[in-house]
Amino acid sequence: KQEVTQIPAALSVPEGENLVLNCSFTDSAIYNLQWFRQDPGKGLTSLLLIQSSQREQTSGRLNASLDKSSGRSTLYIAASQPGDSATYLCAATIGGNMLTFGGGTRLMVKP
Amino acid sequence: AAGVIQSPRHLIKEKRETATLKCYPIPRHDTVYWYQQGPGQDPQFLISFYEKMQSDKGSIPDRFSAQQFSDYHSELNMSSLELGDSALYFCASSSPGQGGEGTQYFGPGTRLLVL
Repeated sequence: KQEVTQIPAALSVPEGENLVLNCSFTDSAIYNLQWFRQDPGKGLTSLLLIQSSQREQTSGRLNASLDKSSGRSTLYIAASQPGDSATYLCAATIGGNMLTFGGGTRLMVKP
Repeated sequence: AAGVIQSPRHLIKEKRETATLKCYPIPRHDTVYWYQQGPGQDPQFLISFYEKMQSDKGSIPDRFSAQQFSDYHSELNMSSLELGDSALYFCASSSPGQGGEGTQYFGPGTRLLVL
């Protein structure tokens, strides 16, 4: 059974810092890995999707990488802003349609 | 751009009652997924449909059923509601032919409270 974990569970940084969120998965036979943002009590906003054949994806200040052999993905956020404060979830797709989510990282960017 | 629409956004029910949640996928998306997110928990996959046929089944209780209609909208029917069913229910959709390989776009969720 695919297990997805995220560390750290919570992170607090001052505005302007670059930061890395980590995601690990136990089964390397994934179709893709998706990063989401979730604000408190709100829905999930898709940030980036990396196909299994890709190594990384970039969107604005966000860069996500995927290393299937080590079972890891990272989300890099450059020049963090208070508006980036949210919970970031990674989710892996394997053997079908379902997304298996990690526990999330609660990010707080302080002005 | 059009997004996934879910209705209702909030729902309050008593124990043992029935609830129906609706999901309208992004136009031309053929795959619909349902997830349940309990308080302080990760979203958990319930069930998915591709071209109106059930494609995958996750941790969906037997008390729940779902279907996808000819216009691709989907409904999640929940019977004999329990307190533990209180959660945020998300619907997601993905674009034609991509199934599990493509980006899943999530709706805003339906918050169900069972009293």
